[in-house]
Amino acid sequence: QQQVKQSPQSLIVQKGGISIINCAYENTAFDYFPWYQQFPGKGPALLIAIRPDVSEKKEGRFTISFNKSAKQFSLHIMDSQPGDSATYFCAALFQGGYSTLTFGKGTMLLVSP
Amino acid sequence: EPEVTQTPSHQVTQMGQEVILRCVPISNHLYFYWYRQILGQKVEFLVSFYNNEISEKSEIFDDQFSVERPDGSNFTLKIRSTKLEDSAMYFCASNEGGFRYEQYFGPGTRLTVT
Repeated sequence: QQQVKQSPQSLIVQKGGISIINCAYENTAFDYFPWYQQFPGKGPALLIAIRPDVSEKKEGRFTISFNKSAKQFSLHIMDSQPGDSATYFCAALFQGGYSTLTFGKGTMLLVSP
Repeated sequence: EPEVTQTPSHQVTQMGQEVILRCVPISNHLYFYWYRQILGQKVEFLVSFYNNEISEKSEIFDDQFSVERPDGSNFTLKIRSTKLEDSAMYFCASNEGGFRYEQYFGPGTRLTVT
């Protein structure tokens, strides 16, 4: 019940295209859902996050869509660029605890020029 | 911009040796975490630390692991007797607390146990 399932495992998108990564969770106690971007050899960097009281959050080219009833959320990267090539992790957290993050397995995104 | 720092960036040790990984969290943050990432796998929670004590730990964090905040700035992870399977990237993270839930990660320490 603590798992966060992420798909796809890898994704190739052409420059200018839309990258979509999906996550699903089981534990309804989760109430904060961040996305992290990780470049090789670096730590995860917080990209964007959403709370379940909204269905969508947009920051620049990055949008989270959230479906509370389906217990799913997704990251959309508009106008994908080669510099977006990285591994993306979704995560979930229960704010009532000590805020430990449960991560998905990651999606390796490659944006071809 | 404030950031979490970690030292060393790479540590090589022999099986059975003790290692200490060091982190300096963001200065006004109250919650501190260690996570690890085995090569090619997801990031896994190890332990959280608040108010100078462990607040939560995972099954991975057994008696071989300990954490400490020896002074007002450093946060350390000690592995008492390293095993081959401890080889991984270890990330420190910190969080401001209150109603802010963002966790900021350091660049990691790559631990290689031979």
